[in-house]
Amino acid sequence: AQSVTQLDSQVPVFEEAPVELRCNYSSSVSVYLFWYVQYPNQGLQLLLKYLSGSTLVKGINGFEAEFNKSQTSFHLRKPSVHISDTAEYFCAVSDTRAQKLVFGQGTRLTINP
Amino acid sequence: KAGVTQTPRYLIKTRGQQVTLSCSPISGHRSVSWYQQTPGQGLQFLFEYFSETQRNKGNFPGRFSGRQFSNSRSEMNVSTLELGDSALYLCASSLVMGGPDTQYFGPGTRLTVL
Repeated sequence: AQSVTQLDSQVPVFEEAPVELRCNYSSSVSVYLFWYVQYPNQGLQLLLKYLSGSTLVKGINGFEAEFNKSQTSFHLRKPSVHISDTAEYFCAVSDTRAQKLVFGQGTRLTINP
Repeated sequence: KAGVTQTPRYLIKTRGQQVTLSCSPISGHRSVSWYQQTPGQGLQFLFEYFSETQRNKGNFPGRFSGRQFSNSRSEMNVSTLELGDSALYLCASSLVMGGPDTQYFGPGTRLTVL
């Protein structure tokens, strides 16, 4: 079984500042890793995913994440945030056989002007 | 290409009633998964359907059921509603089952049980 821990439930940052949203996972098998974003009253949108290969993954809207197998982490970063990045961000894992996603509890990112 | 659509977007029901939610996947997608999102439990996997067969199931009671039709559209049903069933129900579709295929989510159906 897999589990995901998002270490911060809320992250407030100022506009144009960098941000890191932390995610750790636990699994006894190989996994795929995902970051999704949810804007108010909407479904989830995929930001990026790690399947294999390069540990640095680039996604949409200027986000990137780094897979660290030894630390079982998959932290999400953006060098300069905008007001429009205000949303809830979810880290998720799935094993390599099934489509079942296991999500973290989410991190609410608030951008202050 | 149209995204995943879910109907209705909002529902209000009373305890003991049953409800059916509908999901139309992206054209050509054959796998449909359902998730429940609540403030307390977060996002939890309900079940996955592929080629009209349930392939995967989460830890939910038997009151939660689903089905998939030959055109890949899916429905989920909750019988004997409880207050704790109030949630946002999200449907996601993907081309195939399993593997690294991206799941695309619909906007959800918000169910309120009074």
